[in-house]
Amino acid sequence: DVKVTQSSRYLVKRTGEKVFLECVQDMDHENMFWYRQDPGLGLRLIYFSYDVKMKEKGDIPEGYSVSREKKERFSLILESASTNQTSMYLCASPYPLGQGDVSNQPQHFGDGTRLSIL
Amino acid sequence: QQQVKQSPQSLIVQKGGISIINCAYENTAFDYFPWYQQFPGKGPALLIAIRPDVSEKKEGRFTISFNKSAKQFSLHIMDSQPGDSATYFCAASFGQGAQKLVFGQGTRLTINP
Repeated sequence: DVKVTQSSRYLVKRTGEKVFLECVQDMDHENMFWYRQDPGLGLRLIYFSYDVKMKEKGDIPEGYSVSREKKERFSLILESASTNQTSMYLCASPYPLGQGDVSNQPQHFGDGTRLSIL
Repeated sequence: QQQVKQSPQSLIVQKGGISIINCAYENTAFDYFPWYQQFPGKGPALLIAIRPDVSEKKEGRFTISFNKSAKQFSLHIMDSQPGDSATYFCAASFGQGAQKLVFGQGTRLTINP
């Protein structure tokens, strides 16, 4: 069974801290994504990566950075956490070729990290 | 141009009824439209998806209706069950699902027994 695993389900940090959110996928896919989910706003793309050491900004990259040193791992970094970054963070990666609908490779999500910044 | 607008924000339906959630998009270059279902404490899971070359896709009790000229698509849940109570998101992307998704705002669906 394919998996996207986020290292923490709940995280509480203080304003100004540097925060690392980790995501690991076992689907051997080049693409990985970080979204944040807020009520009434849906999911919004923060950053994505199409390959190791490659990254591209999504729709709301301000205050965030990412790291992709290995194919299976994609880290989201809050450089200096602020209260407006309190949110649910979701990592995603597509299903590999040969599984599911191969023409679409739909994205598979982790269960999220609920981050609170105090 | 990148937005996907979803309505309603919340929906209450009686058991056995039909649940309908609507989405509208602006960018005609979108060519892949998935729906995701999310239960509390879980990440969104793909429910059903459609491409604009068909007007309807059905999988069990779930149907996507797609109107290309109106730039709208909707999810219909027939014979709604309490187990369908969840948050539903529509989305759109360019190319296949491996590309970045633009999501709607979400609909919290409650099915009353």
